Amino acid sequence: DAGVIQSPRHEVTEMGQEVTLRCKPISGHNSLFWYRQTMMRGLELLIYFNNNVPIDDSGMPEDRFSAKMPNASFSTLKIQPSEPRDSAVYFCASINHGAGDTQYFGPGTRLTVL
Amino acid sequence: QQQVKQSPQSLIVQKGGISIINCAYENTAFDYFPWYQQFPGKGPALLIAIRPDVSEKKEGRFTISFNKSAKQFSLHIMDSQPGDSATYFCAASGGTGGFKTIFGAGTRLFVKA
Repeated sequence: DAGVIQSPRHEVTEMGQEVTLRCKPISGHNSLFWYRQTMMRGLELLIYFNNNVPIDDSGMPEDRFSAKMPNASFSTLKIQPSEPRDSAVYFCASINHGAGDTQYFGPGTRLTVL
Repeated sequence: QQQVKQSPQSLIVQKGGISIINCAYENTAFDYFPWYQQFPGKGPALLIAIRPDVSEKKEGRFTISFNKSAKQFSLHIMDSQPGDSATYFCAASGGTGGFKTIFGAGTRLFVKA
C-alpha cells in the first residue's frame, strides 16, 4: 500500500495567492483528517470527513480556508487568499473505522507564504 | 474538557536510560489513547495505543501506563537509543467526539549516544 499521498510536498507562494493542497487517502479508509502543525500551536485538527461528508470543521481558522472531498480517494484543502501566518506543515491522515482507530498520516505539505 | 496536557516539552536521556513522557486528559468519555512518534520531515506514526480497560500495555521497549482514576497516562521507553530521538505526541479520542483526536503539545526527545 502506498500510504497517504499528499501533494505538493513543498509550496512557496506570495501573500494573497490561492493555495490548494491535495490528499489521497489509503484505499478503503472511510475517514479523512486535515491537520496543521506549527511550532507555536502544535498539531491542530482543521476538519475531518467521514464517508466524504464533513463532520467537524470547527478547527478551520477562518473563511479563507475551505476543504472538499468529492470522492473517497481525493480531498483538497484550499486557502484563498493566503497570508504569511498560514505558513505551516499541513498533514492529511486517514482511518479505516472497521480496522481500529489508528490514523495514518501523509508526509505533509510544507507551506511558506511570503 | 477537550485538552490533553503533555509534559515535558523536551527531554534529554542517555543511551540505555529510561525516557518517561506524561499526559493528562479531562474528558472521561475518551476511550482511545495513542502515542505517535514523529521524525523530522515526516508525518506522525502510531507507536503504541491503549484503551482504558487495561492499566498497562507493553510492546517491545515501549510501555504505556494508564491511570483511569487520575486521568493520566504515560509512555516509558526502556533502554532508550539514539534512534528513538524524535517528537512524541500523546493523544485521546472517543466519546461524543467520535474519531476526532486531540493531540498533546508534543515532547522532543533526544537520546545521547
